[in-house]
This record gives sequence, structure tokens and C-alpha cells, in this order.
Amino acid sequence: ELKVEQNPLFLSMQEGKNYTIYCNYSTTSDRLYWYRQDPGKSLESLFVLLSNGAVKQEGRLMASLDTKARLSTLHITAAVHDLSATYFCAGLTGTASKLTFGTGTRLQVTL
Amino acid sequence: GAVVSQHPSRVICKSGTSVKIECRSLDFQATTMFWYRQFPKKSLMLMATSNEGSKATYEQGVEKDKFLINHASLTLSTLTVTSAHPEDSSFYICSASGRANQPQHFGDGTRLSIL
Repeated sequence: ELKVEQNPLFLSMQEGKNYTIYCNYSTTSDRLYWYRQDPGKSLESLFVLLSNGAVKQEGRLMASLDTKARLSTLHITAAVHDLSATYFCAGLTGTASKLTFGTGTRLQVTL
Repeated sequence: GAVVSQHPSRVICKSGTSVKIECRSLDFQATTMFWYRQFPKKSLMLMATSNEGSKATYEQGVEKDKFLINHASLTLSTLTVTSAHPEDSSFYICSASGRANQPQHFGDGTRLSIL
């Protein structure tokens, strides 16, 4: 059974700073997703990572995948207040294509 | 892009009421739909997976008689919370996928509050 852990659970950072959110998973995952969730809202898809060494970037966010280490990272560059949200990683496994979500990282970017 | 509509967005009702939540794929055929539950400040927990025309597969610990799932067509799945109680209050989110390993597209969620 796939288990997905994220750290940190909560991250408060100042605008302009850089930081990384880590996502560790326990067994082989077919692909790794990153999502953003704003308070009271559903999920917004950010990235899907398909293979070892995959790197994707959108604006100030960059996601990477190391399948050998079973680790994905979401790097935030020069954070801005609008990035404040909860970020989830999720691994996809099995023929049923089930997603297993990480614990989530609540990011708060302060002015 | 693919759109999933979930309705209603918010429900407030008395204890003992049954509540039905609809999840529709608007511009694609969803062979598989998923139902998640999310408590405040927690992650999403998969409740069940439903495939069109067959019985839903429930995750361990989810009462299938409590949470009735129907996936009668390729564009509609419903979740009925039967005889709801305050502990069933939660944020329920559906997602839909066209084929195996295709991305899941999420609905906007339903906030259920049982008084």
C-alpha cells in the first residue's frame, strides 16, 4: 500500500524567499502529482511527473521527481503572497488508478 | 480542459436526513469516478471508486450502506449519505477520469453540515 508523506506540514515564509516542500512515498508509484488547494476550495492541478529525473516549472514553482529516492520536491522561488495555499502531492498506483495524497503543506507567505 | 461539475456546493440539513451529491463530467466520458472526503485541515481520503455500470469499490473502513454510490452513466455518479449525523459533516470531493492512468479532474466539492 502506497503511503505518502510531506514535510513540512506548515511553512511560513517571507515574500521573496525560496523554499522547498518534500514529498516522500513508500512504494513504486506510476506517477506523482502536485495540487494546490485554497481555503474552502477544491484542488487545482499543478504538475504531473511521469519519470525519474522529471522536472517541470510553472512561474515560481518547480517540481522534480527522483524515483530511486522515492522523493518529489516542490521548490518555491521568490515567494509572493498569492502563493499562500495548501499544497498536496499524490502518488498514483495500481490498475484502479487510485491517488494517495500526502498530508499537505500549508504555505503562508507573509508580506 | 476537462470539466467536472459537482452539485450542490453546500448543504446544511438536520440529523437523520439523507443527502445526495451529484458529480458530472461535462465534456468527456468518465469511466471511473472517485469520491473523497476531507476533514478541516486534513488531507483527502479516498472513500470509494466507481466504474460505470458496476458496483463501487469502497476503501477499508468506509460503510457502503452509509455512503451509497451510483455510477449509472458515463457522465454521472452520485453519492448519497444516508441518515446523516453530525460526524458525517465534511467536505466531499469527486473526481473523474476518462481512462486508466489519465489525470483525475476534480469537482468543486460539497460542504456538508449536519446539525
